[in-house]
Amino acid sequence: GQNIDQPTEMTATEGAIVQINCTYQTSGFNGLFWYQQHAGEAPTFLSYNVLDGLEEKGRFSSFLSRSKGYSYLLLKELQMKDSASYLCAVRSTNSNYQLIWGAGTKLIIKP
Amino acid sequence: DADVTQTPRNRITKTGKRIMLECSQTKGHDRMYWYRQDPGLGLRLIYYSFDVKDINKGEISDGYSVSRQAQAKFSLSLESAIPNQTALYFCATSDLGDTGGNTGELFFGEGSRLTVL
Repeated sequence: GQNIDQPTEMTATEGAIVQINCTYQTSGFNGLFWYQQHAGEAPTFLSYNVLDGLEEKGRFSSFLSRSKGYSYLLLKELQMKDSASYLCAVRSTNSNYQLIWGAGTKLIIKP
Repeated sequence: DADVTQTPRNRITKTGKRIMLECSQTKGHDRMYWYRQDPGLGLRLIYYSFDVKDINKGEISDGYSVSRQAQAKFSLSLESAIPNQTALYFCATSDLGDTGGNTGELFFGEGSRLTVL
């Protein structure tokens, strides 16, 4: 079967760094996405990885290891506005290129 | 104005009623999707459409139907709503991902919160 696992909730301090992990078991891997979703709002795209390695975009970075079925999202210099859920999703050729979604990690930022 | 617009944003209805959620987009994307989101669960795909003549069932299509009236419009219907269809529904669009840097990421509407009593 196909499955995405990520922690349900994490807490971090303003100004610090936090790493949110995502592990997946899918066949036909065709890319991994991270989205941010504030409570009651729509998910918005953060990052995309299809090859192994680190993709950096400002304060946010995302890493992928296809052999390990593993990704992480790294958030630096945390701000209160980063309090949100972070959704990991994998695109699979075996599901007609549709996304398989994790349940999301709720990140709580404390002052 | 939002690129992907959903109506209504909130709806309370009773069991057995027919409900339609509408989605329109100005992004010019061929691909459109309907998802539902429930607390503690990942987004689940209901239906998707790659173009006006192409409709595909997602993982949870039972109890739902869709219509792709035009490239820009994709509506979701619940023929006879039941309480376990209470959820937050999202419409999304995407372009085709390619090797030239287009990721094919999804662009979401603001969501339609449906409550079935």
